Order: sequence, then structure tokens, then C-alpha cells
Amino acid sequence: AQKITQTQPGMFVQEKEAVTLDCTYDTSDPSYGLFWYKQPSSGEMIFLIYQGSYDQQNATEGRYSLNFQKARKSANLVISASQLGDSAMYFCAMREGAERDKYIFGTGTRLKVLA
Amino acid sequence: SQTIHQWPATLVQPVGSPLSLECTVEGTSNPNLYWYRQAAGRGLQLLFYSVGIGQISSEVPQNLSASRPQDRQFILSSKKLLLSDSGFYLCAWSEDGLNTEAFFGQGTRLTVV
Repeated sequence: AQKITQTQPGMFVQEKEAVTLDCTYDTSDPSYGLFWYKQPSSGEMIFLIYQGSYDQQNATEGRYSLNFQKARKSANLVISASQLGDSAMYFCAMREGAERDKYIFGTGTRLKVLA
Repeated sequence: SQTIHQWPATLVQPVGSPLSLECTVEGTSNPNLYWYRQAAGRGLQLLFYSVGIGQISSEVPQNLSASRPQDRQFILSSKKLLLSDSGFYLCAWSEDGLNTEAFFGQGTRLTVV
């Protein structure tokens, strides 16, 4: 079964607007970590933000924030004030406590920021 | 500081030929090491991971194999490539722990012809 699901293959957003990229996960482990990565067209993977399952507050890093809804098992990435440079592939990933050596990724969402 | 090196950047290989992709990490010890394949519409597929020398866990049964002959060296191999092995291969490392991010190499674009 898919552990990480990203249902949006592609998204468009107007420059300077906010956009939400969806991520749902499946685990019975109470301890886990959720990550978001950005992959520009160059192929490099850039770490953006982390949320722990026991974190009380939603993670934020600059223009990135994570809308963590534990009961719904969702960890959506919110990018505020989109910039042209935000156009990229975005991946959600998870590590579970019992199998923390494994790093599982979703299928990704391709974001295009329009001028 | 830690760095990860992955080579080659691009590779074109005929069907049935062998494969060897190498990844090395500098500036850390006993890292977790990973091999991923990225194909269109399938995201990053975890192929192998390793928590120590000689310890390899396979996620996807296929004609690929991995080895970790040294602490900071991770090798992806195949004896006979298939057309379906084409893709973008990424090596990554992380420290142990739930909250530690992964650091990726620059990737290898493999085309099997």
C-alpha cells in the first residue's frame, strides 16, 4: 500500500499568490517524521521543511509552512507569496519510528508559477 | 562539512550490458545510505538502503543489486540491464533519527538502448 500519497500531479499558481500542495500518509506508528523536498529542473533535491508527529505546532521555514492535520494524516505544504523560482517538483517524504532507516517518498507534484 | 558524490552524471548503455553506479560520502561516519530511482509519474522509488558496511536492504525485487564495501561508499549494480532500468538514479545519505533530512547526490541519468 502507498505510504505517501500526493494526488496532484501538477499545479499552477500565479506569482505572489499562495499555493497548497497536498500530502497524505499512512502509518500505524505513533512516532514518525514528515519532510518536504523541492526538485528544480536541474535534478538536485533540496530539503524544505520537517514536521515531527509529536510536534504541537505546524512547522514553518520562511515562506514554507506545513499544515499538519494528524487525525486526517495529512501534511500539506503551503508556499506563500509564490515566486517564479518556486517552479519545481515537490516531494513529500516520511520516516517511521519502527523503520526509521527507510526514507519513503511520494510521487511528487509539479508546480508551475505563472508570471 | 559533509558532501556526497555520485557519478557518472549521464550514462547510455545497451540492453544486456552491466551497470555500476558509485556514490561516496565525505565528512561523516556510519551514514544511512540510499539508492532511489525516479521515473515519470512514479516519484522517488526506494531501491536499496544500508545502515552499515555489508548491510543492504532491498525494497524492490529486480535485476539490480547494491553493495556497501566501505562505510561511505554505496554501489548500485546490474549484471544485465533491461530497457525498463532507464531512469534517473539518486544516491542519498542521512544520519540516524526520525528528524534528520536526507542529502542527495546530483543523480545519474541512465538510458538503456
